[in-house]
Amino acid sequence: NAGVTQTPKFRVLKTGQSMTLLCAQDMNHEYMYWYRQDPGMGLRLIHYSVGEGTTAKGEVPDGYNVSRLKKQNFLLGLESAAPSQTSVYFCASTVGGGTEAFFGQGTRLTVV
Amino acid sequence: DAKTTQPTSMDCAEGRAANLPCNHSTISGNEYVYWYRQIHSQGPQYIIHGLKNNETNEMASLIITEDRKSSTLILPHATLRDTAVYYCIVRRGGGADGLTFGKGTHLIIQP
Repeated sequence: NAGVTQTPKFRVLKTGQSMTLLCAQDMNHEYMYWYRQDPGMGLRLIHYSVGEGTTAKGEVPDGYNVSRLKKQNFLLGLESAAPSQTSVYFCASTVGGGTEAFFGQGTRLTVV
Repeated sequence: DAKTTQPTSMDCAEGRAANLPCNHSTISGNEYVYWYRQIHSQGPQYIIHGLKNNETNEMASLIITEDRKSSTLILPHATLRDTAVYYCIVRRGGGADGLTFGKGTHLIIQP
């Protein structure tokens, strides 16, 4: 049972390049989330999904898009990366609202 | 969600109980108190949560004051592996809109 798996674990992008981060969970969870964490700060919510085919904006959605085509996968896209998007990105999933959240190990993204 | 206030950092001797305080004076009746921790930039790990009664599990105990304006997370026998940033989060039960993380408390367990 892998839990929440994020791909890739590390990536360096040039300004203006695009990329997609993949989050996969094998716990049949309905809700999935993408957060970012900047140095010395807590996590901030980017986007989330309460089920297959649904997405919603979080606290810091600008510059990101998401898709949830399959229940087990939640994709985070950067269409035109900027240095301000240098951060560690965490994915999480929960059975339902207010229940224990399971987090992935993070993706460390550097935009130069 | 109600705002929380935690000390920036704390030390605790290995083997002793670590008591981490959290103030949440504006908490509403339907809001729960959650605790997560993050060990050295890994993904956060759920510890415990509660509404108004004290809670205990294999990791920790959660003590919530009667007026619910503050709480304490207790790690009964701290080990070096408990060194981490601990986040106290208040959110309404059943809400789908994620967790609001502050800066948390950096707990350092001293050998």
